[in-house]
Parts: sequence; structure tokens; C-alpha cells
Amino acid sequence: YELTQPPSVTVSPGQTARITCSGDELSQQYGYWYQQKPGQAPMLVIYKDSERPSGIPERFSGSSSGTIVTLTISGVQAEDEADYYCQSADSSATYVVFGGGTKLTVL
Amino acid sequence: EMQLVESGGNLVKPGRSLRLSCTTSGFTFGDYTVTWFRQAPGKGLEWVGFIRTKLYGETIDYAASVRGRFSISRDDSKSIAYLQMNSLKTEDTAVYYCARRDAYNHGDAFDIWGQGTMVTVSS
Repeated sequence: YELTQPPSVTVSPGQTARITCSGDELSQQYGYWYQQKPGQAPMLVIYKDSERPSGIPERFSGSSSGTIVTLTISGVQAEDEADYYCQSADSSATYVVFGGGTKLTVL
Repeated sequence: EMQLVESGGNLVKPGRSLRLSCTTSGFTFGDYTVTWFRQAPGKGLEWVGFIRTKLYGETIDYAASVRGRFSISRDDSKSIAYLQMNSLKTEDTAVYYCARRDAYNHGDAFDIWGQGTMVTVSS
């Protein structure tokens, strides 16, 4: 089971960044998003497709449609530059799988 | 403050063993599934395995890449989880993270992560 993300996305400050993640099981399993900055551990930014943990800025949002989940960052800031990983589970909800990660560059 | 801290990473030769610890604080350890991940240098995140709570029989699942070589255990009295790694291979070189899986508030997301510990397998 695989999750597919674009390797890179580049946006200017203040623009909207959209990162997609596709996988067959996403139609049945939730998608999650993690942000990882260099030298740091991953941090949860979206859970259950579209829920935002407390402390995560409102500019981060998530959506789901069929076999694709999308992370949207509105009004991107320089501090949002990071690697973003989507995560889900297989059909039995046992095995955890990650996408390959997307490097968000803010130019 | 809720925290997980990994320790035990080191440089080891292929074929040898190593045990990592995940020491936690600030939450009721026994209520949560603990998960191990790894990240090879310059690569993405990889799930290693997890151990469920006593309520779920402390059952364990592993990724295919480590099944039969790695084992996970937990000591709820000490709030610590372990990752025993045997027959190490060079491709096991990675930063190893432990994380809490939160079924209560975050829909089974991995909501708190440790800072990671580096394991290097090289002759």
C-alpha cells in the first residue's frame, strides 16, 4: 500500500500552498499530516482528514475527496518551510504508511 | 509537560544487537499505544511497529522490513517502551523516534513525538 505525494511545492509568502496525497485506502481510512523541519521530530498538523490540533495555526487546513487528501496552507509564511508527510493505514487499520514527503519551499 | 525521550542509539557493527528506550512523562503511559518510527539519512518516515495497551492485550505489529529481527515491549510501571533490535543491517541506519498514538483526542494520530536517537550500523 502506497501514498503518493509530490516531491516539492514552491510558493511565495502570502500565497496558498496545496499538497496532495493519493492512495487507494484513503477512501476508507483517515489521512493525517505531519510537518518536519530540519533536525526536528515530526509534528502533527492535521488529523482525521481535516481536524486541526490545538496550537496549530488556522492557516493549516485539510480536506478529503475519494482517494486524495489535501493539506492547504493559506497565507504561507516563511516559517512554514518544511517537509510535510501524509500518513494513513491499510484497509485493516493495522499497518501505518507514510507518503514520501513533500518539501515546501517558500521563496 | 507531556514528553517522550529516546535513548540508546549508538554505532554498532552489522549483525549485532541494540536496545532503544522510550522514556515518557506527563501522561498516563498505560493508556496509550506506543509506536516506533525511523528515518534514514535524507529519507522519509518509516513505521517500525507499535505495542498496544494492556486493555488490548499488549499486542504488537511490525513492519515487514523488521519483523523477526526487532521486538517491542513496554513496562507500564516505569512508563518506558523498548525497541530491541537484533541482526542489525546497514540499512537499519536511521534516526529512531517513538511516538504516542492518541485514540482519545486525535483519532489515532501520532500526537507527541520524541526527539529521536541515531542508530548507525557500520563495520
